[in-house]
Amino acid sequence: GQSLEQPSEVTAVEGAIVQINCTYQTSGFYGLSWYQQHDGGAPTFLSYNALDGLEETGRFSSFLSRSDSYGYLLLQELQMKDSASYFCAVREGDTGFQKLVFGTGTRLLVSP
Amino acid sequence: EPEVTQTPSHQVTQMGQEVILRCVPISNHLYFYWYRQILGQKVEFLVSFYNNEISEKSEIFDDQFSVERPDGSNFTLKIRSTKLEDSAMYFCAGASGGPSGELFFGEGSRLTVL
Repeated sequence: GQSLEQPSEVTAVEGAIVQINCTYQTSGFYGLSWYQQHDGGAPTFLSYNALDGLEETGRFSSFLSRSDSYGYLLLQELQMKDSASYFCAVREGDTGFQKLVFGTGTRLLVSP
Repeated sequence: EPEVTQTPSHQVTQMGQEVILRCVPISNHLYFYWYRQILGQKVEFLVSFYNNEISEKSEIFDDQFSVERPDGSNFTLKIRSTKLEDSAMYFCAGASGGPSGELFFGEGSRLTVL
């Protein structure tokens, strides 16, 4: 079956660094994405890794190890506005349809 | 900046009633999706749509669900006979087919079945 496991909740203070892990087991794998979702809002794209290694986009970085079926999202210089849920998502194939299978989600709480 | 628009933002319906949720995707997108999210849970894939036909559907997308793109712009999800467990946020999403696999989600339609 398919499973993407994440910690349910992470707490941190402003200015800190936090890492959100994702381990996956899916029928196919083409890449790992991360999405942010504020309460009551839509998921918004943060990053995508198709190859092993680290991708950096401003304060956010994402890492992938295909051999370990593992990835993480690293958030640096945390701000209050980063309080949200974060989902990893696997793209299972390269059919062009890009169906994503989402993880269980991690709620990040940033305190002053 | 172009965005995905969904209507209604919230719909309350009685069990057994039909519901149609509407979406206007970004104009240059080719691939369209419906996802749902039960409160506090993960985002679940329902169906993908390409070239005016369903390309993939999940186990959730049973015979009571249908999708259409009737006029080349709107993309609809119909639930024929709603059940209590259909209460969820329904997200429409689109993609252009680029290498990042980015999906652009609408703000969602919250469906409450009583």
